[in-house]
Amino acid sequence: LAKTTQPISMDSYEGQEVNITCSHNNIATNDYITWYQQFPSQGPRFIIQGYKTKVTNEVASLFIPADRKSSTLSLPRVSLSDTAVYYCLVGDYFGNEKLTFGTGTRLTIIP
Amino acid sequence: EAQVTQNPRYLITVTGKKLTVTCSQNMNHEYMSWYRQDPGLGLRQIYYSMNVEVTDKGDVPEGYKVSRKEKRNFPLILESPSPNQTSLYFCASSLFAGSVAHQPQHFGDGTRLSIL
Repeated sequence: LAKTTQPISMDSYEGQEVNITCSHNNIATNDYITWYQQFPSQGPRFIIQGYKTKVTNEVASLFIPADRKSSTLSLPRVSLSDTAVYYCLVGDYFGNEKLTFGTGTRLTIIP
Repeated sequence: EAQVTQNPRYLITVTGKKLTVTCSQNMNHEYMSWYRQDPGLGLRQIYYSMNVEVTDKGDVPEGYKVSRKEKRNFPLILESPSPNQTSLYFCASSLFAGSVAHQPQHFGDGTRLSIL
């Protein structure tokens, strides 16, 4: 699995857009990029996945540049309930069964 | 309701006393795995299972055992717990064993173990 690097922590105010960038310089051709969200005292929750360009769902957007060496999770108009740890995960579509989550980014939303 | 259920949620025990943390999923998922989460170290995979009777080591398997006799259950066994196994443990599952990184992992709510 490609190694990922994320900021350890970020702060933002309510109502702002938050962008969390993940670096994955050694991403392979078959790798997908997945983001998870973890609230305190809960297990991680899948939020979005992409391969290239842009993916959007009801929770977030994921931007992936052409070289795919990084990706940016975008959370629109954050609220206090978006305070969580966000993990970037890069993995092979074709059968790598071991998963590595890393340390994640602790996002704190300030009222 | 589709879910991954872990028991117990909290346990305080002593060094050397064997313990088992159970994990059960009701989604007919093939793939199941165990993680431990420690401050500053993120989530680290302990063991995973691609299907019944098929298990393999993750990144930190030392001191742990697992079994997968039924598709829905994947217990984590600590034969002789030590204080360095004090941690928050998560069980997870996903639908198919192939292309695991491409599938959402469904996590339980965690088990907090304290080994004195």
